[in-house]
Amino acid sequence: QSVLTQPPSASGTPGQRVTISCSGSSSNIGSNAITWYQQLPGTAPKPLIYSNNQRPSGVPDRFSGSKSGTSASLAISGLQSEDEADYYCAAWDDSLNGWVFGGGTKLTVL
Amino acid sequence: QVQLQESGPGLVKPSETLSLTCAVSGGSISPYYWSWIRQPPGKGVEWIGYISNIGRTNYNPSLRGRVTISLDTSRNHFSLTVSSVTAADTAVYYCARQQDLVWFDSWGQGTLVTVSS
Repeated sequence: QSVLTQPPSASGTPGQRVTISCSGSSSNIGSNAITWYQQLPGTAPKPLIYSNNQRPSGVPDRFSGSKSGTSASLAISGLQSEDEADYYCAAWDDSLNGWVFGGGTKLTVL
Repeated sequence: QVQLQESGPGLVKPSETLSLTCAVSGGSISPYYWSWIRQPPGKGVEWIGYISNIGRTNYNPSLRGRVTISLDTSRNHFSLTVSSVTAADTAVYYCARQQDLVWFDSWGQGTLVTVSS
């Protein structure tokens, strides 16, 4: 059971906008920045969003992040077939004194 | 552009100790934190622990007591040991550079460690 809660799956058609949610608590998302990672099959997770809504260099602006209270969301607009991957949220947890991750959301592009 | 590369045995016997090393190239150990993260086959991601550039460590409470992370700044690498392993420790192990307590900005490609007799 992951500390952060994500839906196990999401789907969309090419060009569509999809959002993935991540729910936590006051000790993690509520008091620390959220990060989102994309994991393509057979590869290491790649950072997509850090500090709630910042994109690392090279990440398309189709990807955006937001946070409100103890929840966060990743939005992908203009969905493309290469966006089919697993997506994980992560945050520092002050109570556990460690990093916590969501269980991951498998995004399917129909 | 920093690069990280994990290395170590791919097969460990139950009750023995798993040992991995992460070589850091293209960048300095300072002023970052360096983490180990693992992912059991077909499952989600779990943070194992980190070490700072001055050697301060912090471990996942679920693994504390079995895990040690060490740093060799002269050779620009850091290491992980997990003692008394069981099949539940079978996973792809990743090393990652941690920007303070904000995010993991660079990851190694990962190495699969299987615990089996």
